[in-house]
Amino acid sequence: GAVVSQHPSWVICKSGTSVKIECRSLDFQATTMFWYRQFPKQSLMLMATSNEGSKATYEQGVEKDKFLINHASLTLSTLTVTSAHPEDSSFYICSSYHRGLYEQYFGPGTRLTVT
Amino acid sequence: GNSVTQMEGPVTLSEEAFLTINCTYTATGYPSLFWYVQYPGEGLQLLLKATKADDKGSNKGFEATYRKETTSFHLEKGSVQVSDSAVYFCALSGNTGNQFYFGTGTSLTVIP
Repeated sequence: GAVVSQHPSWVICKSGTSVKIECRSLDFQATTMFWYRQFPKQSLMLMATSNEGSKATYEQGVEKDKFLINHASLTLSTLTVTSAHPEDSSFYICSSYHRGLYEQYFGPGTRLTVT
Repeated sequence: GNSVTQMEGPVTLSEEAFLTINCTYTATGYPSLFWYVQYPGEGLQLLLKATKADDKGSNKGFEATYRKETTSFHLEKGSVQVSDSAVYFCALSGNTGNQFYFGTGTSLTVIP
């Protein structure tokens, strides 16, 4: 149990287009999900905290108008990278907080390449 | 505030060597401590965890003990294998378990 999936696992898009990444908790409900970004050979950087039914909380320095987060249900959060640029190329990882187990479960990540 | 300081890598070991990756933390309250492993091109997988002082987390031959007196959670394995080559992240979560704080990661390469 406690599986988190992400879709797509990798995506290539052209500069200026928008890309949506889905994060699903497959077998538990998650009122809180997190979005991280990871640059090559670096640690995870928390981008935002996504709460079901309310606006996401963004970390300092993260553009909320560029990285749109929607947590429409207890099992799904989406991250949309709007007007993507090459510098947005990165590995995006989501996690879901399992309240019963007091633990976060991570998705496998989505590699975004903007050309 | 909460933070994690992790031994910098990269670390290169021969197969069957002993592994230690140091991790120390700063936290308010009573955090839980974790080690995650990331294989190339993949997301993070929980390796082990400890939720209170003196707890020992263990999995796949890896161990780490929650030491409150030294605010440490060092990862150890007695005999590493080539398949252990990955990046290892130390992390802590605050009292509510929601907010995670990660170390910078330590890359481990095990050579035959």
